[in-house]
Amino acid sequence: GENVEQHPSTLSVQEGDSAVIKCTYSDSASNYFPWYKQELGKGPQLIIDIRSNVGEKKDQRIAVTLNKTAKHFSLHITETQPEDSAVYFCAASTAGGSYIPTFGRGTSLIVHP
Amino acid sequence: DAGITQSPRHKVTETGTPVTLRCHQTENHRYMYWYRQDPGHGLRLIHYSYGVKDTDKGEVSDGYSVSRSKTEDFLLTLESATSSQTSVYFCASSGGPTDTQYFGPGTRLTVL
Repeated sequence: GENVEQHPSTLSVQEGDSAVIKCTYSDSASNYFPWYKQELGKGPQLIIDIRSNVGEKKDQRIAVTLNKTAKHFSLHITETQPEDSAVYFCAASTAGGSYIPTFGRGTSLIVHP
Repeated sequence: DAGITQSPRHKVTETGTPVTLRCHQTENHRYMYWYRQDPGHGLRLIHYSYGVKDTDKGEVSDGYSVSRSKTEDFLLTLESATSSQTSVYFCASSGGPTDTQYFGPGTRLTVL
């Protein structure tokens, strides 16, 4: 089955800095890559996703890039704010399997004011 | 936000007792999922459903069973709870397997 590795497990930045979270996946047939944000005491919530026919997608301060050759994708957050502090999960969905996404282990992002 | 609720939100039980967690969604989503979240392990899929009475196992299904008799409800049962099943359990739903998953608020289960 699919295996998703996510790094780093913890990321600490100063307000206004950029933050980058990286994920790699194992199955070259994967074609859907969502990112979720989980605030303390809440369930994860989708913030952005990308499909394999696109190399980059942006939504205001958030962007995701995909390199299918290298089988990795990244989340970029610019101009970080304290409210960006949360746990972020990447996931990958394999077209040839059940399509159910496999999640990475999460990155705890801490933005210091 | 999608209308997805979980009950109970917190539960403390003893080893060996049966426990049932309930997930309810009002979005008429076809797919529903149960995950457990533990430190260092992220979200791990327990079981999922792709329609009424249609379910399949995830990567950590041992010790758990599920049932889905109506589109809106997905039940997770621990037949005989063990301390290793102490965790936070999340339910999610989606229209399709690669559609956005909407998560519930979670249930914190403690097995003593």
